[in-house]
Amino acid sequence: GENVEQHPSTLSVQEGDSAVIKCTYSDSASNYFPWYKQELGKGPQLIIDIRSNVGEKKDQRIAVTLNKTAKHFSLHITETQPEDSAVYFCAALSYNTDKLIFGTGTRLQVFP
Amino acid sequence: NAGVTQTPKFQVLKTGQSMTLQCAQDMNHEYMSWYRQDPGMGLRLIHYSVGAGITDQGEVPNGYNVSRSTTEDFPLRLLSAAPSQTSVYFCASSYFRNMNTEAFFGQGTRLTVV
Repeated sequence: GENVEQHPSTLSVQEGDSAVIKCTYSDSASNYFPWYKQELGKGPQLIIDIRSNVGEKKDQRIAVTLNKTAKHFSLHITETQPEDSAVYFCAALSYNTDKLIFGTGTRLQVFP
Repeated sequence: NAGVTQTPKFQVLKTGQSMTLQCAQDMNHEYMSWYRQDPGMGLRLIHYSVGAGITDQGEVPNGYNVSRSTTEDFPLRLLSAAPSQTSVYFCASSYFRNMNTEAFFGQGTRLTVV
């Protein structure tokens, strides 16, 4: 069935450094790849997304890249700040099954 | 604009009891879904619906029932609660097969089964 693997499970960086989170999906019919940020006690919120006809997308300090051939996509956060500390989830939506499948999450800690 | 509203926020059940987790959205979204979140396992899809009268199973549907009689509401029913169903449950909604497919999540329901 559909599967999304996410690495690493935890990531600690110094303020100002970059952070990279990587995901791999199994369903070749996946065509939409969102990234969500979850703060403590809250529901996940969309921070950026990318569609299968695009290789890269940027929004200020965050960017997402997609390699359809390898079924990989990654989240890049530059100039990290303490408020970036949260759990980040990748996900993949299949146009065959209409299921939005999530990865297992990455806990990012940014130290001042 | 309330977005996605889940009730209750917290619930403690005894093994074998039944209950319904409520989810309502006011954005006229066709697509609604339920996830459970457990430590180290991310968000796992329980059931989803692409419109009123249509539901389908996700990754972990056993022990849960859903129905979608209106566009706005998508309740999740636990018929006979088990300790393995202790989790945080999230409801989400979005447009369906639309360029704007952002999923909006509720605040979650923390369920403990003893």
